[in-house]
Amino acid sequence: GAVVSQHPSRVICKSGTSVKIECRSLDFQATTMFWYRQFPKKSLMLMATSNEGSKATYEQGVEKDKFLINHASLTLSTLTVTSAHPEDSSFYICSAREGTNSRGYTFGSGTRLTVV
Amino acid sequence: KNQVEQSPQSLIILEGKNCTLQCNYTVSPFSNLRWYKQDTGRGPVSLTIMTFSENTKSNGRYTATLDADTKQSSLHITASQLSDSASYICVVTQTGANNLFFGTGTRLTVIP
Repeated sequence: GAVVSQHPSRVICKSGTSVKIECRSLDFQATTMFWYRQFPKKSLMLMATSNEGSKATYEQGVEKDKFLINHASLTLSTLTVTSAHPEDSSFYICSAREGTNSRGYTFGSGTRLTVV
Repeated sequence: KNQVEQSPQSLIILEGKNCTLQCNYTVSPFSNLRWYKQDTGRGPVSLTIMTFSENTKSNGRYTATLDADTKQSSLHITASQLSDSASYICVVTQTGANNLFFGTGTRLTVIP
């Protein structure tokens, strides 16, 4: 089945630094990738949708300059948290969809970001 | 408003027992409904996916049902195991849209 690899699984960084999270579709081409944020005991909250080769579409309230998304190829999307602050500490999850098939969503294993 | 509601919010059962989790949705137009299992600190893993015409879908000890008329789904877990302890999330996709509508999940704890 479809596999999405997300790295790193855990990262600790200092306030003010930037952190990059990678999301790779290993055995399929992901036309669209999604980035989510999840707070403890809460459901996933969509941050942005990225299509290969075009700018990401951000959800209302998500800062574009804070959370930079790049989807340069059909198998890789990256989320960069810039100038990280402690309130950015959270669990970030990506998902990838093959083509326009609404059945074909696969999630990555998530990244636990802690900003100290 | 497109919403997905799950119940109960949390559930504790004894190992070996069965349980049923509920999902009600108002998402329209409806494309499909998925049940995911999410272990703590991990990404969601798909258990089942059902379209409008599918009433039941099984995956091992997991059986999902869908009533598209009443917009309700259930996930039945039989002969529960300790490893079933996780959050179970119901996700509904809207036709023609990218977005997935997530339920808030049911936290299942299986105790020995």
